[in-house]
Amino acid sequence: GESVGLHLPTLSVQEGDNSIINCAYSNSASDYFIWYKQESGKGPQFIIDIRSNMDKRQGQRVTVLLNKTVKHLSLQIAATQPGDSAVYFCAEITSGTYKYIFGTGTRLKVLA
Amino acid sequence: NAGVTQTPKFQVLKTGQSMTLQCAQDMNHNSMYWYRQDPGMGLRLIYYSASEGTTDKGEVPNGYNVSRLNKREFSLRLESAAPSQTSVYFCASPGGTGTFGAEAFFGQGTRLTVV
Repeated sequence: GESVGLHLPTLSVQEGDNSIINCAYSNSASDYFIWYKQESGKGPQFIIDIRSNMDKRQGQRVTVLLNKTVKHLSLQIAATQPGDSAVYFCAEITSGTYKYIFGTGTRLKVLA
Repeated sequence: NAGVTQTPKFQVLKTGQSMTLQCAQDMNHNSMYWYRQDPGMGLRLIYYSASEGTTDKGEVPNGYNVSRLNKREFSLRLESAAPSQTSVYFCASPGGTGTFGAEAFFGQGTRLTVV
């Protein structure tokens, strides 16, 4: 919710522009990654996922890029809309474990 | 958030009071989790249950207990609430419809304030 977003890095983009949100993950053994969107007052919602044997995956208006060399994940949102305003988290998972490790999140603000 | 229901949505407790947060999922998933979310921090795992009848500690279990009542329900109990437990609590259950089947569905959250 709003209280969670107060201390997060913020990305402000103009409506219609593309957005790029970055995430550094911690565990080189992680083999599955998810991007979540969290709107104010709601729980995180799934956006897109990618396996470690992939470099890129595209969905509707979103693209996830994975760079395993530097342990970096990015989420690209095309033609950003006001409804995209939210906090975005990445999560890393290692197969065979039950633990998701979440990033701290980035707040996306879409300017009209 | 379809499939995971948490109650209550809001709660104010006095220091030392106890309460139980309830979570239920109707997706027939084996695993269920409890997270807390604090300003400037990511979701931190409190406890998880890999399957009915099993529970394990996560990253921040101190001050909490859990019960996996059946496959559907996973409750989180604060025996003696402290101000440090003021947070937003989320229940989650993986096994969703993401491409690789490990997407976690989240509940709407419980906003707990301990005064």
